[in-house]
Amino acid sequence: KAGVTQTPRYLIKTRGQQVTLSCSPISGHRSVSWYQQTPGQGLQFLFEYFSETQRNKGNFPGRFSGRQFSNSRSEMNVSTLELGDSALYLCASSFSGLSGNTIYFGEGSWLTVV
Amino acid sequence: GENVEQHPSTLSVQEGDSAVIKCTYSDSASNYFPWYKQELGKRPQLIIDIRSNVGEKKDQRIAVTLNKTAKHFSLHITETQPEDSAVYFCAATRPNYGGSQGNLIFGKGTKLSVKP
Repeated sequence: KAGVTQTPRYLIKTRGQQVTLSCSPISGHRSVSWYQQTPGQGLQFLFEYFSETQRNKGNFPGRFSGRQFSNSRSEMNVSTLELGDSALYLCASSFSGLSGNTIYFGEGSWLTVV
Repeated sequence: GENVEQHPSTLSVQEGDSAVIKCTYSDSASNYFPWYKQELGKRPQLIIDIRSNVGEKKDQRIAVTLNKTAKHFSLHITETQPEDSAVYFCAATRPNYGGSQGNLIFGKGTKLSVKP
């Protein structure tokens, strides 16, 4: 069974640009969540989607947005990029989204903003 | 909201020794506590998890204990090997309204170094 797949793996963007990251969850998983990892702040929750609905949202500005498609694939978008947005963005999926479900991470997308 | 504290931030042990990493959480409603291992440049990989209805869980050289009363849980690695060297993260989550999956709240991580 394929794991959580994220694309692109690496990208470099300029301040002010926008970026879209993609995530394909494990087959059969309906819950997809996104995390930002930086050396200073560690792993921080961005948002979670289940059945195409945003169910939970972290404490990030409105420049960070996401969506989920009917096949459970998800995208996140960051608009008006800032230098501080440079980070590893991790997507995670779980089966039914019920509390206590095991959560699996993808390899992440490394974003560098210059 | 939930807050997870993890100690120590760095841990160095000799190969064959045991390593213990401790985490405390603040939200008594948290009911799921996974541990992830992250090697440099790679994804966090689940190594063991425990749910709030269990006090201890073991998987070969790895064990996790949970004390709900004190709101802390610990990772124990026995007979450490150089390949155990990585950053380890604890996390906690509580159910959202309706019982759905809450988001993971992570500790800051422990960098474990196992010296041959």
